Amino acid sequence: DSGVTQTPKHLITATGQRVTLRCSPRSGDLSVYWYQQSLDQGLQFLIQYYNGEERAKGNILERFSAQQFPDLHSELNLSSLELGDSALYFCASDRIGSGQPQHFGDGTRLSIL
Amino acid sequence: AQKITQTQPGMFVQEKEAVTLDCTYDTSDQSYGLFWYKQPSSGEMIFLIYQGSYDEQNATEGRYSLNFQKARKSANLVISASQLGDSAMYFCAMREGGSGYSTLTFGKGTMLLVSP
Repeated sequence: DSGVTQTPKHLITATGQRVTLRCSPRSGDLSVYWYQQSLDQGLQFLIQYYNGEERAKGNILERFSAQQFPDLHSELNLSSLELGDSALYFCASDRIGSGQPQHFGDGTRLSIL
Repeated sequence: AQKITQTQPGMFVQEKEAVTLDCTYDTSDQSYGLFWYKQPSSGEMIFLIYQGSYDEQNATEGRYSLNFQKARKSANLVISASQLGDSAMYFCAMREGGSGYSTLTFGKGTMLLVSP
């Protein structure tokens, strides 16, 4: 158990819809990262938050947004969903320090029908 | 150019044998960290081992060791005495810079299959 909690585990929805993925980081971790894993793109970094502030952006589409709340949990919002958004979405968290690994949640598997 | 290259899409090994999974990286930073993760078929990402660019000794964690060759920019994962449960996808990743704030860049992964 990594200590990172992601809900829901599975999500099935239709094109054009909007979904929210939730992540609770490990206790004491201030940074939260979101990744998308698909067969064709591999593991892609989307966005990072540190203590409520956006820290870094990766290959995140404009239809996607995220935020980190005062209790440090984070949400990833995906809107106007397309078939190509079907993927495994991971949240990870870590502590300050270059040697600190990111600990991953079990992921949310999103299927767009 | 890719920052992390894993040239082996798939590897086969027999139980109890050792196996080396290759990883080369590209960075101009002096301070960086290298990580290996395991992803079983169930999907979760499991942290295995870390090597810092200034670490003089190769990292070891149980049956995992990291063969770090800085001049060649390689950070190969060695799994000794393979077990059936080692069958999984393995990802090499790099964090650049020394602040600890930067993100990880992942390679495309190597699928390892361990046979009885």
